[in-house]
Amino acid sequence: DQQVKQNSPSLSVQEGRISILNCDYTNSMFDYFLWYKKYPAEGPTFLISISSIKDKNEDGRFTVFLNKSAKHLSLHIVPSQPGDSAVYFCAATGTGNQFYFGTGTSLTVIP
Amino acid sequence: DVKVTQSSRYLVKRTGEKVFLECVQDMDHENMFWYRQDPGLGLRLIYFSYDVKMKEKGDIPEGYSVSREKKERFSLILESASTNQTSMYLCASLREGGQETYEQYFGPGTRLTVT
Repeated sequence: DQQVKQNSPSLSVQEGRISILNCDYTNSMFDYFLWYKKYPAEGPTFLISISSIKDKNEDGRFTVFLNKSAKHLSLHIVPSQPGDSAVYFCAATGTGNQFYFGTGTSLTVIP
Repeated sequence: DVKVTQSSRYLVKRTGEKVFLECVQDMDHENMFWYRQDPGLGLRLIYFSYDVKMKEKGDIPEGYSVSREKKERFSLILESASTNQTSMYLCASLREGGQETYEQYFGPGTRLTVT
């Protein structure tokens, strides 16, 4: 059973607008969440993370929001750029040993 | 700059062959991981290792084994390759930062095709 879910397989956004990628999880023991970006034929690269003691973490154009009561997190990209076009995975861990990944959302930023 | 390298980018093997996928990291990380990525399924953990000669099963270990004889190297072994093991295989190592922060660094992946 998928413990981390990304229900939108794809998303298209105009350049300059906001991209919002969503992720839901089921395991209340998860206390650390990460977002990865993946280009074709490359491994995922770490983007941003958040600990469960926070509800927001910001890094430049990227902000991750965590709603623990809803078991939901989202990644906001503002402003979106064509180079942001990639597959985005969210991941969660409770122990730092096992990481559970979502199925990914393919973002296309239209120039 | 952390580097995780994988021995092959593309590999084609026949059913029943024994397959070795090698992964090397240069940052002295304790933890290393093997995942497979399939369309619609995301990344699924096969095995991980938290120290030399130590290993733990992930979610889908069947048909696979691993070896960690040196800290920097983590090998994935397909004992007898089958067509349902055709996939993208990703190796990762883990940096544990302060305040319980974690960051996995991934290799470029090995696209394995079993015919």
